[in-house]
Amino acid sequence: GAVVSQHPSWVICKSGTSVKIECRSLDFQATTMFWYRQFPKQSLMLMATSNEGSKATYEQGVEKDKFLINHASLTLSTLTVTSAHPEDSSFYICSARKGLAVLGPDTQYFGPGTRLTVL
Amino acid sequence: GQQVMQIPQYQHVQEGEDFTTYCNSSTTLSNIQWYKQRPGGHPVFLIQLVKSGEVKKQKRLTFQFGEAKKNSSLHITATQTTDVGTYFCAGPNKLIFGTGTRLQVFP
Repeated sequence: GAVVSQHPSWVICKSGTSVKIECRSLDFQATTMFWYRQFPKQSLMLMATSNEGSKATYEQGVEKDKFLINHASLTLSTLTVTSAHPEDSSFYICSARKGLAVLGPDTQYFGPGTRLTVL
Repeated sequence: GQQVMQIPQYQHVQEGEDFTTYCNSSTTLSNIQWYKQRPGGHPVFLIQLVKSGEVKKQKRLTFQFGEAKKNSSLHITATQTTDVGTYFCAGPNKLIFGTGTRLQVFP
């Protein structure tokens, strides 16, 4: 159990366009989902925390108008990169936390990631 | 804010050698988690440590949580090429990730 999927796995887009990335928890309900960004050979940087039915909480320095997050259901969160630019090219990873985690209160399950390239 | 640093950043070892990565937090942690990320992959949960001074083993991997709950270590005995990847420690709640240690194992 505890499988998280992301779609698409990779996307190439032109500068100025918007890209939507979906994160789904396939076999559990996720009250909280997290969005991370990872640049090559660097650590994961938390962008925002997404709670079902409420507005996302963004980390300092992350533009909420540029990275729109919607957590419409307990199994789906979406990240939309609006008016993407080449500097937004990165590996975007979501994770989901179970409401009642068996392994521990903070255990998160990661999606496979989405590699975004903006030309 | 909370910062989690890891050393070393990179480690190249010969297959069969041991490997250790250290994680240090600027604040006391209620728990710490370790993840492994293979090249091109996503982080995979390895273990969570909760108690002060806790030591847990998973086959060749030994995880330790410091007495003050501000540092942790991961030790791999007799590395194998399958151990290649980046090892991250992460603090609780929002999972603030450490800087990571990239392990390369030469056969």
